[in-house]
Amino acid sequence: QVQLVQSGAEVKKPGASVKVSCKASGHTFSTSDINWVRQTTGQGLEWMGWMNPSSGDTGYAQKFLGRVTMTRSTSISTAYMDLSSLRSEDTAVYYCARSGRGVGVSFDIWGQGTMVTVSS
Amino acid sequence: DIQMTQSPSSLSASVGDRVTITCRASQSISSYLNWYQQKPGKAPKLLVYAASSLQSGVPSRFSGSGSGTDFTLTISSLQPEDFATYYCQQSYSTRAFGGGTKVEIK
Repeated sequence: QVQLVQSGAEVKKPGASVKVSCKASGHTFSTSDINWVRQTTGQGLEWMGWMNPSSGDTGYAQKFLGRVTMTRSTSISTAYMDLSSLRSEDTAVYYCARSGRGVGVSFDIWGQGTMVTVSS
Repeated sequence: DIQMTQSPSSLSASVGDRVTITCRASQSISSYLNWYQQKPGKAPKLLVYAASSLQSGVPSRFSGSGSGTDFTLTISSLQPEDFATYYCQQSYSTRAFGGGTKVEIK
């Protein structure tokens, strides 16, 4: 069964960083991109960026440039999203999602989501 | 950046109704438009990709159409399990989502 399993909920203080993991199983990790999407409480979906697990290439949404880093460990089929300089507005559910590459992709497999709470 | 605008932001409908949701792009995105369904507390689910292709396992009452800047998602006969929030997404440049349309029970 193709699935993405994310790490558990996190509580962080303002100014700290958080690292969320996304472990792939049931498909070849390196042949699909991993995307990260977040959703603040009661709000819509916000795409943060993509990563090619094979090459390590990344592309980030303008809003998150300088604060987000997406990496991977191919040996354990796991992608990571690191968000720094956290503020209260970053409190959200963070999802990873699988897609193809390039133009015209869609997100066909999603992780279960990781709740990140930023509070002093 | 390309902006995606969905309308309406919410609607009330009854079981059996035909429902249409619209998504407009701020510039042409060809047919690079996807639709997702999200239920409370759950991850989004892909319904339609490339504007009109139904994802495997999705009921045939869902359909998508459009190209360029204007797109629609239609549910031909609303079922109880269809009450959810629907999002469009462009994959022409960045992979941004529209603001969502919440479909509620009338």
